[in-house]
Amino acid sequence: QLQLQESGPGLVKPSETLSLTCTVSGGSISSSSYYWGWIRQPPGKGLEWIGSIYYSGNTYYNPSLKSRVTISVDTSKNQFSLKLSSVTATDTAVYYCARRGPAVMLRDAFDIWGQGTMVTVSS
Amino acid sequence: EIVMTQSPATLSVSPGERATLSCRASQSVSSNLAWYQQKPGQAPRLLIYGASTRATGIPARFSGSGSGTEFTLTISSLQSEDFAVYYCQQYNNWPPYTFGQGTNLEIK
Repeated sequence: QLQLQESGPGLVKPSETLSLTCTVSGGSISSSSYYWGWIRQPPGKGLEWIGSIYYSGNTYYNPSLKSRVTISVDTSKNQFSLKLSSVTATDTAVYYCARRGPAVMLRDAFDIWGQGTMVTVSS
Repeated sequence: EIVMTQSPATLSVSPGERATLSCRASQSVSSNLAWYQQKPGQAPRLLIYGASTRATGIPARFSGSGSGTEFTLTISSLQSEDFAVYYCQQYNNWPPYTFGQGTNLEIK
């Protein structure tokens, strides 16, 4: 079945750029039915949507993060990636990648999630 | 941005009893509402989408109801594995998708 796996550095220095990759296995990222997204969760807190991308490269970002976020897709590697610039301690969180279901019959919730990766911003 | 508010923040219920969790949207989200379960150290798991449709593999004791701005997740007879944090999320008006702050369902 479809699986998502996040990868990237677990420690990033303040003011630098956080970079993570999500590898999709068991299915194609190029399916026309799905968007692919990043969601984060600070320690002990709730969930925050960061942004989503379609296989064609169309992106949607959370306005609160838009100036610092870039999400890209590499269909040849079946991966999509997150870059978050100028990080501070408030960006410390578990970062999840997730698939958004097809936009039919109200199914466009986040139906498959990666296990998450903890990223700490600290010098 | 649509604000999702969940209540209560913490709910204490005994195993075998019914749990009722609430979620309110700051404006109508129609039926574009999902519920997720999250256990410690795990990713969220989709339980309900479209306000009332169980996701694949979700037991029948989980049910969702509501539309517009008021939603409810009901767990009919709590099992030990159901004690977790539950989040609601709207996907009617985006960006951004927004989540509630969560309800911690704990054993009484």
